[in-house]
Amino acid sequence: GAVVSQHPSRVICKSGTSVKIECRSLDFQATTMFWYRQFPKKSLMLMATSNEGSKATYEQGVEKDKFLINHASLTLSTLTVTSAHPEDSSFYICSAQNEKLFFGSGTQLSVL
Amino acid sequence: GQQLNQSPQSMFIQEGEDVSMNCTSSSIFNTWLWYKQDPGEGPVLLIALYKAGELTSNGRLTAQFGTTRKDSFLNISASIPSDVGIYFCAGQLQGGGADGLTFGKGTHLIIQP
Repeated sequence: GAVVSQHPSRVICKSGTSVKIECRSLDFQATTMFWYRQFPKKSLMLMATSNEGSKATYEQGVEKDKFLINHASLTLSTLTVTSAHPEDSSFYICSAQNEKLFFGSGTQLSVL
Repeated sequence: GQQLNQSPQSMFIQEGEDVSMNCTSSSIFNTWLWYKQDPGEGPVLLIALYKAGELTSNGRLTAQFGTTRKDSFLNISASIPSDVGIYFCAGQLQGGGADGLTFGKGTHLIIQP
């Protein structure tokens, strides 16, 4: 079946650095991918919709300059957390839809 | 924005018992989905519902999409230890991948030995 691959699964970085997370659809093309954020023991919250070849659409309250999204091809979307701070520490998950909606395995970001 | 009210927040049950959880919303959703999430992993789709009133089973799991498209329930029969995890309902306003999902707050299922 369709698979969405997300990398890295875990990253620890110093405050002020930038971190890039990749989301790939392995056996299908996805013109639209989604990025979610999940705090411990909380639900997933949609951050933005990544559109291939155009600008991402951000949900209210999500800083687009902070969370840069690039969807350069039909199989790859990247989320870059710029100048990360401890409050950005969270579990980030991407998803893409073929006939069904598939999720990546998530990236645990810890900012020291 | 849209909100999904999921209950119960947590369940403590004995192995072999049946489980029932539900979600309600004030919004009408085109698609309703149920996911299970294990710690440190992304959600895994259990059941997808597309039609109002639809009743769908996946092994010991059964889910139904309410006739008004504003609610859904998930039942798990004869629970086993590997059913432990967090279950999320999620709604999609439009089909075809045009919208991201709105998630419920999750039901934490704990099975006592």
